[in-house]
Amino acid sequence: EAQVTQNPRYLITVTGKKLTVTCSQNMNHEYMSWYRQDPGLGLRQIYYSMNVEVTDKGDVPEGYKVSRKEKRNFPLILESPSPNQTSLYFCASSLVGGGDSPLHFGNGTRLTVT
Amino acid sequence: AQTVTQSQPEMSVQEAETVTLSCTYDTSENNYYLFWYKQPPSRQMILVIRQEAYKQQNATENRFSVNFQKAAKSFSLKISDSQLGDTAMYFCAFMKHGGTNFGNEKLTFGTGTRLTIIP
Repeated sequence: EAQVTQNPRYLITVTGKKLTVTCSQNMNHEYMSWYRQDPGLGLRQIYYSMNVEVTDKGDVPEGYKVSRKEKRNFPLILESPSPNQTSLYFCASSLVGGGDSPLHFGNGTRLTVT
Repeated sequence: AQTVTQSQPEMSVQEAETVTLSCTYDTSENNYYLFWYKQPPSRQMILVIRQEAYKQQNATENRFSVNFQKAAKSFSLKISDSQLGDTAMYFCAFMKHGGTNFGNEKLTFGTGTRLTIIP
């Protein structure tokens, strides 16, 4: 089954403790992206990747890192999480980065930083 | 920069009725895509419908249709014969057309409309 898999689904952590949210897709997609969803703000892009070893900032990249060493994986790294990073996170992928190629979303990761 | 505005934070409607969710956007682009996404309580983001700006014909998908008014920069979603399973948060989103050079064609989302279908 074609899908984008995020783990974990829920995560509670403390300020400053490094964490990684994993994202994997099995559709051989070139384009991958991370969004965060906050009430009253909709979804905002954090980082994106056009292909292996090609990543760039989105609208809200501060406090986050990403890597794209393999085509299928695009982990989101929070080196020193803070409470303002409490949010719902989505990974998404598409064949290429345009609107003709549907964006497939993972099921989300609910992160709470205390 | 593009902005997407959904002015109805919450709506409710009786089952089997028709409901229209509004969306306006602001852009200087001439070629772009517009989307409606549904987010049920399961948190999944599900694509409901897509419209290409250069197409004048309004997109339809079964009970879902849009009213795309390019000059007015308006993109409303109509749900006909609403069902309990339509209860969800609905997001309007914009993506500029990258042409043949794909860059970061990111989605710019509105703030969402929470729709409740009442039995």
